[in-house]
Amino acid sequence: DADVTQTPRNRITKTGKRIMLECSQTKGHDRMYWYRQDPGLGLRLIYYSFDVKDINKGEISDGYSVSRQAQAKFSLSLESAIPNQTALYFCATSDPGVPSTDTQYFGPGTRLTVL
Amino acid sequence: DAKTTQPPSMDCAEGRAANLPCNHSTISGNEYVYWYRQIHSQGPQYIIHGLKNNETNEMASLIITEDRKSSTLILPHATLRDTAVYYCIVRVARGSQGGSEKLVFGKGTKLTVNP
Repeated sequence: DADVTQTPRNRITKTGKRIMLECSQTKGHDRMYWYRQDPGLGLRLIYYSFDVKDINKGEISDGYSVSRQAQAKFSLSLESAIPNQTALYFCATSDPGVPSTDTQYFGPGTRLTVL
Repeated sequence: DAKTTQPPSMDCAEGRAANLPCNHSTISGNEYVYWYRQIHSQGPQYIIHGLKNNETNEMASLIITEDRKSSTLILPHATLRDTAVYYCIVRVARGSQGGSEKLVFGKGTKLTVNP
């Protein structure tokens, strides 16, 4: 089984709809992240969470919200989807144990299309 | 985070070593070099990282020049499954001064392994 899973894997929705993307992990990591990827722009950080009670904005948080329901679950919501939120969304986790070895482990991604 | 420069694309014959270069001439003393790869639209995958010394793991070797201004990722026996975009990232260790939670993915090198 994959360590980091994302649901749904693909979603097509309409402008103005509320959408939730879910991420679950079995790695036991405290830190979780949401990124989006657009063609030619690399990955950009939306939100990250150090633990259930600690949520932080990334570089492009406008139009998004998150919920850390448990250590293993981190959800990303688009309250009112717009077409320029069409992108590939990735969840990631990392282990805060040793900062110098900090690596991030990514889920398979969710392809979201907003019409 | 320091900027990195990578060739946009490279080809390699199956079974041969793939050597992927990365320039990071403005790297700071406390910045690590990380390599990730992304196989077509899948989540990025951590490969290896290092600070000063050369590193080797089951996936690859990382050679960092003595002045740390450049590095090379070596896949010793490339297979078709190694076809991917490879990203070189320089990053301050999280928890250190100037450390950041986000990974800054540039455009990377598209490696194509040919049969």
